[in-house]
Amino acid sequence: KQEVTQIPAALSVPEGENLVLNCSFTDSAIYNLQWFRQDPGKGLTSLLLIQSSQREQTSGRLNASLDKSSGRSTLYIAASQPGDSATYLCAVIYGGATNKLIFGTGTLLAVQP
Amino acid sequence: GAVVSQHPSWVICKSGTSVKIECRSLDFQATTMFWYRQFPKQSLMLMATSNEGSKATYEQGVEKDKFLINHASLTLSTLTVTSAHPEDSSFYICSARGHGHEQYFGPGTRLTVT
Repeated sequence: KQEVTQIPAALSVPEGENLVLNCSFTDSAIYNLQWFRQDPGKGLTSLLLIQSSQREQTSGRLNASLDKSSGRSTLYIAASQPGDSATYLCAVIYGGATNKLIFGTGTLLAVQP
Repeated sequence: GAVVSQHPSWVICKSGTSVKIECRSLDFQATTMFWYRQFPKQSLMLMATSNEGSKATYEQGVEKDKFLINHASLTLSTLTVTSAHPEDSSFYICSARGHGHEQYFGPGTRLTVT
C-alpha cells in the first residue's frame, strides 16, 4: 500500500528559527513529490515540486530535498516568520495514466512571535 | 495562470437533499480533474478522478451513486452529493491537471449537512 507519513504532526517554534519538516513514503517509485501549504479552512497553495530526477528545489526561504532511495523528503524553512504558520502537506505523485496524488498526514506549524 | 475555482465556497443543506459543487479551470483546459475530501484535522483523501467525456474512476470505499461526478467539458467538473447526511459534512477540494503532471487546486467547498 502506498502511504505517506509526515513527522512531526505538530511543531511550535519561536520566530526566526530554522526548521525542518519530514515526509516519508513507502513506495519509492514516485514520479514527483510536491509540498503544499494549507491555511485553516482554505485550499492548498503549492510551494515546491520536485521531479523524481531532482535532488532538491529552492524557493526563497524554502528548500525541499528528495531522497528516493530512502523514501524521504524534507522541507527546510529558514528564518521562520509568524506568517509561516499553517499546515504543511507533502504529496507523492505516482506515474501511470491518472498521476494520482497521495497526501501525507500533514504537519501543523505554529511560529510564535 | 493555472487558476481553479470552486462554487460555492460554502453550503449548508438539510439532510436528504442533494448538493452540487462546481470546479472550473479558468485559464487552461483540464483533461483530468480530481475530487478530494478533507475531514477536520485530517489530510486530503482522493475520492475520484474524472476525465473529460468519460466516466469517473472512484477510489475504494467511495460510493459512486452517492457522489455523482460529471466532467462535461475541458473546463468544468461537478460533484453532486446525493441524499446528503450529516456524516457527509466535510471540506471538498478539486484539482485540475492540463497536459502536464502538476495539479492545480481549487479553494475548496465547505459542506455542512444539518
